[in-house]
Amino acid sequence: AQSVTQLDSHVSVSEGTPVLLRCNYSSSYSPSLFWYVQHPNKGLQLLLKYTSAATLVKGINGFEAEFKKSETSFHLTKPSAHMSDAAEYFCVVSEGNTPLVFGKGTRLSVIA
Amino acid sequence: DAGVTQSPTHLIKTRGQQVTLRCSPKSGHDTVSWYQQALGQGPQFIFQYYEEEERQRGNFPDRFSGHQFPNYSSELNVNALLLGDSALYLCASSSVSNEQFFGPGTRLTVL
Repeated sequence: AQSVTQLDSHVSVSEGTPVLLRCNYSSSYSPSLFWYVQHPNKGLQLLLKYTSAATLVKGINGFEAEFKKSETSFHLTKPSAHMSDAAEYFCVVSEGNTPLVFGKGTRLSVIA
Repeated sequence: DAGVTQSPTHLIKTRGQQVTLRCSPKSGHDTVSWYQQALGQGPQFIFQYYEEEERQRGNFPDRFSGHQFPNYSSELNVNALLLGDSALYLCASSSVSNEQFFGPGTRLTVL
């Protein structure tokens, strides 16, 4: 069965500095990987997804993630954090038509 | 396009009661999935409905049941509520592309 591990429950960065949110996955087959963001009292929004095309995936709001099969990782990065990036981020894995499997989330705080 | 909508926004029930949550999918979507998000956790898959049938189910007891209507809207029913059922319940809709769009959720508190 597939699973994801988000290595940090909370990450704090200063505004304008880089963001790195770490995710490792476990999957028996070729997985689809996603990053979702959840702002307070809002629904989950898809940031980006990997589905066996280019290993470097660009998403919305300047975020990107790199699929590394040898390391079973799919870390999320952004060159420069903005105050509006403060939210909960979820790494998600799926195989074929199986349901989405979410990690426990990483809370990103951005300090002015 | 209103996106995925859910009602009610918040709900308070007592142990042993029954609750019904509602979801309207994004226009053009025919598949609805339900997730439970406990405090401090990631969402967990409950079940998925397509063509008014339950297509997939996660590891949830039979107290959790659902329904999909001909207009693709869906209901989640939970019987014999437990304190542990307190959570944010999320609905997601999708179509052939399989990308899931999430609603804002219903916050259920069981006292």
